[in-house]
Amino acid sequence: AQTVTQSQPEMSVQEAETVTLSCTYDTSENNYYLFWYKQPPSRQMILVIRQEAYKQQNATENRFSVNFQKAAKSFSLKISDSQLGDTAMYFCAFAAPGGATNKLIFGTGTLLAVQP
Amino acid sequence: DTEVTQTPKHLVMGMTNKKSLKCEQHMGHRAMYWYKQKAKKPPELMFVYSYEKLSINESVPSRFSPECPNSSLLNLHLHALQPEDSALYLCASSQDGVGGSYEQYFGPGTRLTVT
Repeated sequence: AQTVTQSQPEMSVQEAETVTLSCTYDTSENNYYLFWYKQPPSRQMILVIRQEAYKQQNATENRFSVNFQKAAKSFSLKISDSQLGDTAMYFCAFAAPGGATNKLIFGTGTLLAVQP
Repeated sequence: DTEVTQTPKHLVMGMTNKKSLKCEQHMGHRAMYWYKQKAKKPPELMFVYSYEKLSINESVPSRFSPECPNSSLLNLHLHALQPEDSALYLCASSQDGVGGSYEQYFGPGTRLTVT
């Protein structure tokens, strides 16, 4: 069974600084997808970034980038130039292709507070 | 347009009431999902519909009854709920199938309070 672990329940960062959120996972699959989702206090879950396991290049979306270490089963999220609007719960998630429908396996989440 | 809509935004119901939550997507996605989320916790999967057929039921109590009238709509019928069912109910959709992108797009949720 796949598992996703986020070891940092809460984090805090000053505005304009850089912060890294950790995520590790366990799977016996070779082909899979990893995601970071953001859920601000207004509650809508938003996809931040996606990584396919077969791609060695780390995904980047504007100020958000990942450090994907497949052998170590690690998938951390770096937020550069943190903004107040980045304050949110961040969930790491895993999906493995198989069958007609994917299931997302979520980590327990990291609550990030960006301080002015 | 990556939008999933849900109605109502808030719902308060008594334990003897019957109510329904609604979800709609117009992205052409063929898989739709219902999740239950408690505060500061990850979403818990309840049901999955794939090509309008129920493909996953995560042992959800029968007081929750899903329905997928067509590929764009998903309902969750509620009856005789308990106070512990109070939570945020999220709907999501994904492209599904081989070659699909696998990411799910979430709606804003319905905040349900059972009194």
